[in-house]
Parts: sequence; C-alpha cells; structure tokens
Amino acid sequence: DQQVKQNSPSLSVQEGRISILNCDYTNSMFDYFLWYKKYPAEGPTFLISISSIKDKNEDGRFTVFLNKSAKHLSLHIVPSQPGDSAVYFCAAKEGEGAQKLVFGQGTRLTINP
Amino acid sequence: DTGVSQDPRHKITKRGQNVTFRCDPISEHNRLYWYRQTLGQGPEFLTYFQNEAQLEKSRLLSDRFSAERPKGSFSTLEIQRTEQGDSAMYLCASSLQGPLTPFFGSGTRLTVV
Repeated sequence: DQQVKQNSPSLSVQEGRISILNCDYTNSMFDYFLWYKKYPAEGPTFLISISSIKDKNEDGRFTVFLNKSAKHLSLHIVPSQPGDSAVYFCAAKEGEGAQKLVFGQGTRLTINP
Repeated sequence: DTGVSQDPRHKITKRGQNVTFRCDPISEHNRLYWYRQTLGQGPEFLTYFQNEAQLEKSRLLSDRFSAERPKGSFSTLEIQRTEQGDSAMYLCASSLQGPLTPFFGSGTRLTVV
C-alpha cells in the first residue's frame, strides 16, 4: 500500500519558469512532511519541510504548500535553474515522536535552458 | 567532510555470501537510520537507533539482516546469505534530537550476482 504517491515520474520545465512537483498521501495521521532532492550517485538532500499545522512554508526559491483536506502537498520552485535538475522525493512522518519517514516514488525534474 | 559517511560505496557479492556495510553519522547526531532504495522507488525505512539502542525495525528487516550501533557512534548493517532481491542502494542517515530532518549519506550500492 503506497501511502505517499508522486504520480508524475518526470517533469520538464524551461529555465526561469516555475516548477511544480506534486505529492498525494492517504494516511491522515501524517503530521510532518519533507521534500528531498537527489542527484545521481548521491544520497537525498533535505530541501524544505512543513508541519501539518501550517499550509505554507517558504525558503528562498522553494515553497511547499499543504492541503490537508485534499491530502496533497506541492513543491514550487521559482525561478527554476539548471542545477535544480534532479529527482525530488516527498516524505511524511506519522505522529509525535515517530522516526520513520515514508517516501514517495520520486519525480525526475529536468530544467531545459 | 562532516557529512554522513558510508563504506563501501559499491559492493558486488555472490548469492549466499555475507556482506557488512558501515555508516559514520554526523558526529553530534544521536539518531541513526538505515533505509533501502530500489530502482524507481523512494527510500524505504529499515531501522532506527537512538544512541546505541535500536528502537524500531521494519518488517522489511528479515532475520538475515542485522544492524548494530555498539557505542552510539558508527553503525553496521550485515546481510547474511544474500539473495538477488537484496540488490539495492542502502542509505544511512542521521539526525539530532528535535524536528525529524535526517541527513543522508551517499549510500552503498549492493549487487548480488
């Protein structure tokens, strides 16, 4: 049972435009969400997180939006840069004190010049 | 380099052999995690340590898998009697107490032939 789903395996965006990566989840007990970026031959790198008590968190070019009623979150990158080309994973944590992250399958983002 | 370090980066082994991987977390991090990632999937949680105590294990961690963190610093993950299905990237991560934001190493890629 895939509790965290990234339904788009890939996304191609022109440099300078906005990239929007989407993630859906099924477990209403998830209370904390994270986005990671992964380059080939490297481990995932933490980008940004959001608690379930918020609906938006912003850090520079990266903004994460959370819609709890729709069980949906999205990562916006603006403006997109060539170095943003990578695989992006969303992840979720269930409940206070939990240490396990549940990851989606990832979306490969390609930024075209 | 003060990040999470994993050794070896690559391991090719014959089916039935035992393998052991090592992870050195960020020095002040008391929490350590092991994840496994197969092609086209996101990382899957295997186990979690707080200091030297193994506090959570996934059902993915069969009897052939064992993890240790004897002095609360580095950790080892051993797979006995390897099978072809064990071929994957094994990722280690560490974090401080507080909001869950694991920092990942570059992983050990295991190929069982």
